[in-house]
Amino acid sequence: EPEVTQTPSHQVTQMGQEVILRCVPISNHLYFYWYRQILGQKVEFLVSFYNNEISEKSEIFDDQFSVERPDGSNFTLKIRSTKLEDSAMYFCASSEYLSGGASKADTQYFGPGTRLTVL
Amino acid sequence: AQKITQTQPGMFVQEKEAVTLDCTYDTSDQSYGLFWYKQPSSGEMIFLIYQGSYDEQNATEGRYSLNFQKARKSANLVISASQLGDSAMYFCAMRDSNFNKFYFGSGTKLNVKP
Repeated sequence: EPEVTQTPSHQVTQMGQEVILRCVPISNHLYFYWYRQILGQKVEFLVSFYNNEISEKSEIFDDQFSVERPDGSNFTLKIRSTKLEDSAMYFCASSEYLSGGASKADTQYFGPGTRLTVL
Repeated sequence: AQKITQTQPGMFVQEKEAVTLDCTYDTSDQSYGLFWYKQPSSGEMIFLIYQGSYDEQNATEGRYSLNFQKARKSANLVISASQLGDSAMYFCAMRDSNFNKFYFGSGTKLNVKP
């Protein structure tokens, strides 16, 4: 069964450093997302991406963050200058389709996550 | 305002019994989707079940069913015949027609006792 993959599974970095988190969405999916989950808390939306453009972003997704689809398979999240509060699990997700609001094809399938630790 | 509310931070259930995890949502849209995910201690998010706002029947997927009460704006997950492997965090999520994102609840941690 196709699945979303993410690398690395765990990244440790120093505050102020740049990190790039990588994702390979499911191959026939057209919509891509990044979410984050601070330990023990709820899952928070960061950004959605379609047709090589950001379609939506949250207030968390400030100028320190960027996303890119550098080729036909990868989808990346870059954090330019990491802060301690960026420590979290980062999930990539993809969905096949985007309906007007109610379709099973809207289901987002999540990768296993990258645990980012900023020291 | 919270779009998704899960009022049970933790639940216990005896193995082989059924359990209901509560979820209420808030939207003014007529067209929306409701989703449940399981997050075991290993951290991944596993899709369990989907319910569309126009679906007249409650969704079922194996031991999972969704008790959808549209007028009350609730979408409770029912797990029948609980197994030890069901111990995990469970998240309710919604997508309405306004935005291309999911709103997640705060989750319910389910512990299945042998």
